[in-house]
Amino acid sequence: DTEVTQTPKHLVMGMTNKKSLKCEQHMGHRAMYWYKQKAKKPPELMFVYSYEKLSINESVPSRFSPECPNSSLLNLHLHALQPEDSALYLCASSQKMYYEQYFGPGTRLTVT
Amino acid sequence: AQKVTQAQTEISVVEKEDVTLDCVYETRDTTYYLFWYKQPPSGELVFLIRRNSFDEQNEISGRYSWNFQKSTSSFNFTITASQVVDSAVYFCALSESYTGNQFYFGTGTSLTVIP
Repeated sequence: DTEVTQTPKHLVMGMTNKKSLKCEQHMGHRAMYWYKQKAKKPPELMFVYSYEKLSINESVPSRFSPECPNSSLLNLHLHALQPEDSALYLCASSQKMYYEQYFGPGTRLTVT
Repeated sequence: AQKVTQAQTEISVVEKEDVTLDCVYETRDTTYYLFWYKQPPSGELVFLIRRNSFDEQNEISGRYSWNFQKSTSSFNFTITASQVVDSAVYFCALSESYTGNQFYFGTGTSLTVIP
């Protein structure tokens, strides 16, 4: 099973809302990632958790707040987003450092 | 500097033609991994292959084949007898042992297979 699940699939939120994106994997992977992808661009790394500890934070604005409750779950809390934050948000996991990452289907976020 | 270069932004081929997607990478590390991903219009990135820096053997999987050449820092991807379902954006990516979990993606090649 190489499945990473993400909810919701689509999200529309106003600039004053608070929402959360969820990601889950049951492959026993110990590294999990959040990416942001704009149309016609490659994914941009936002956060990396390794063994449930935040190991990479690519200078992401504080309106994005990651959380890793356990080794299978990853959340991304959103607050006071801007319209330019509208994008596809992808979650991924990998078994080992620098091995292949398995991606979820993504959440298409629209900020109005 | 761009660590992974995919010079072909868009390619269109007629169904059943062969097509090669180019990928050139740059690294000073001796231990690294190369990957190809497919992203169909639905949006999900699908892992296709991983190659480590010590294994230059070419690989074939059905209609897909990959050519890894360290001498030219290239990891090219060929689709034989292309099909409409191959239409997608294809990303080449690099990870290095000293940067750990970071992937460096190329800018992607958008492939359209015309029926």
